[in-house]
Amino acid sequence: DGGITQSPKYLFRKEGQNVTLSCEQNLNHDAMYWYRQDPGQGLRLIYYSQIVNDFQKGDIAEGYSVSREKKESFPLTVTSAQKNPTAFYLCASSIPTGQNQPQHFGDGTRLSIL
Amino acid sequence: GDSVTQMEGPVTLSEEAFLTINCTYTATGYPSLFWYVQYPGEGLQLLLKATKADDKGSNKGFEATYRKETTSFHLEKGSVQVSDSAVYFCALKGNDYKLSFGAGTTVTVRA
Repeated sequence: DGGITQSPKYLFRKEGQNVTLSCEQNLNHDAMYWYRQDPGQGLRLIYYSQIVNDFQKGDIAEGYSVSREKKESFPLTVTSAQKNPTAFYLCASSIPTGQNQPQHFGDGTRLSIL
Repeated sequence: GDSVTQMEGPVTLSEEAFLTINCTYTATGYPSLFWYVQYPGEGLQLLLKATKADDKGSNKGFEATYRKETTSFHLEKGSVQVSDSAVYFCALKGNDYKLSFGAGTTVTVRA
């Protein structure tokens, strides 16, 4: 079955530490996205990539970094510069062209501070 | 910029009750509209979509009609079940490919 796999499901970060969240998809989608979800808020876009080796900042990119070396993979690094990293992180993918193409989501990674 | 406003929750209903979640949007041009559902501890699943004015999206007993004149896309279900308990997100996709989400509405259905 095609889908998006995020790992780990739960992740803990110590002060001053960088952590990397994994996102892999086998849907053959060109576009991939990272969102942050906080309680009582909608999803906010962190980074997105329309094609391999290219990515753009979303609305809340500060303190985060990404890479897109393979079509299937879009890892997100939460750096020590992100002072409030505790949140639920969701990865998504889609066919990039066309307004009516929905995004498909993984099951998320919950990041907490130790 | 594009934005979505959803009815605030939480919403608590009895089984077989009628559910409505209001959603209005602001966008330039002609966006596509979506409803996503999130079950506890999971990611978002696409529930339904509509891509032009007067389109009706439907799935699993849920319906929403794209109303351009009122810039709305309200979600309805005639008879909810306990299994419909979840968080529901309204979203739009405008001239770029980015989704703008509402804040989400938590729905709890009691037996």
